[in-house]
Amino acid sequence: EAGVAQSPRYKIIEKRQSVAFWCNPISGHATLYWYQQILGQGPKLLIQFQNNGVVDDSQLPKDRFSAERLKGVDSTLKIQPAKLEDSAVYLCASSPGTGYEQFFGPGTRLTVL
Amino acid sequence: RKEVEQDPGPFNVPEGATVAFNCTYSNSASQSFFWYRQDCRKEPKLLMSVYSSGNEDGRFTAQLNRASQYISLLIRDSKLSDSATYLCVVNQGGKLIFGQGTELSVKP
Repeated sequence: EAGVAQSPRYKIIEKRQSVAFWCNPISGHATLYWYQQILGQGPKLLIQFQNNGVVDDSQLPKDRFSAERLKGVDSTLKIQPAKLEDSAVYLCASSPGTGYEQFFGPGTRLTVL
Repeated sequence: RKEVEQDPGPFNVPEGATVAFNCTYSNSASQSFFWYRQDCRKEPKLLMSVYSSGNEDGRFTAQLNRASQYISLLIRDSKLSDSATYLCVVNQGGKLIFGQGTELSVKP
């Protein structure tokens, strides 16, 4: 079974630029999550989708971050404009539903210069 | 106080050693608990769930003490391949809260 796919794997941008990440969850998984993992810390949930609806975006910095999952499958996470402190690994995860095991993608490593 | 707090690492142990990781959580309403493993520059993967009665999976034993809001992971007979970061994870209303992780390095 194919796992969670993410692209790009690496991205280097300058501060104030924009960047977008893409995630394709495991087929049939209704719940999709975006996490931010800063070096030396555990992943922090940014946003959780159930199908194409947002369940929790309480920790998403909405002045610069946005995410969508229009057809309830793929999702994109955007940062505009990026700041130095956004340098992190952005992990996408999916699960069959809330409370089930989450499966993580390989992540996108973002460096903001 | 952090929602999920783990032993600061790193732990450096010889092959064959027994090592224990501790974790505390602040929200008594937390519903379920897990240990995830994260290899260097890789994604986290579920190692095991943690049940109230304690559970064992081969060389790994997880325990939960709800009264003390404390979770532990014991690894017996450490292997080189156990070297990784171990993340304590708490489920609060369907939302996973991760600890900062404890790094384990097993040396020959």
